[in-house]
Amino acid sequence: AQKITQTQPGMFVQEKEAVTLDCTYDTSDPSYGLFWYKQPSSGEMIFLIYQGSYDQQNATEGRYSLNFQKARKSANLVISASQLGDSAMYFCAMREGGGGADGLTFGKGTHLIIQP
Amino acid sequence: DAGVIQSPRHEVTEMGQEVTLRCKPISGHDYLFWYRQTMMRGLELLIYFNNNVPIDDSGMPEDRFSAKMPNASFSTLKIQPSEPRDSAVYFCASSSAGEDNEQYFGPGTRLTVT
Repeated sequence: AQKITQTQPGMFVQEKEAVTLDCTYDTSDPSYGLFWYKQPSSGEMIFLIYQGSYDQQNATEGRYSLNFQKARKSANLVISASQLGDSAMYFCAMREGGGGADGLTFGKGTHLIIQP
Repeated sequence: DAGVIQSPRHEVTEMGQEVTLRCKPISGHDYLFWYRQTMMRGLELLIYFNNNVPIDDSGMPEDRFSAKMPNASFSTLKIQPSEPRDSAVYFCASSSAGEDNEQYFGPGTRLTVT
């Protein structure tokens, strides 16, 4: 079974609209972390936002917020007021276990295109 | 801070040749990760180190791949002999300990094996 599922291979959104990118995860570990990364066409991986499994509040970073629904094992990324520069691949990732760093398991990604 | 540094940025080699990819993590980070990105398989963790010691190499595809971290500021990923199916972008990332610490990715090395 896939540990990270991103069901939207591609999305077209009008500039200035809000965008929700879906991510569901699968783990039996009670301690885990969820990450979102952006990969523009230039290829670099840019960290956007992090949510810990024990965090009580949804994470926010500027125009990015994470809609964390633990019972549904869902960690959707919300981008408010989208901009042309938001066009990129977006990856959801999970780190299982707590207390230190482990490798990330990535989803297949969503290709977001913002249209003017 | 210079960020994670990888070299070379691009590598083209012939099948059967040895390839060495290099990574310098962010100073002070004690975790180093090697990932591979392909269209077919997406982003995969190959191996990671903690304080220069390999912790999990279960993602290394086969014995042709090896990775070392001789000191806190340098790591290599070697493929010998290389095959066309090894063509991919190889990322190095580093982080410090802590549950919410992000992994900082390098720019990647685009490897093409002909």
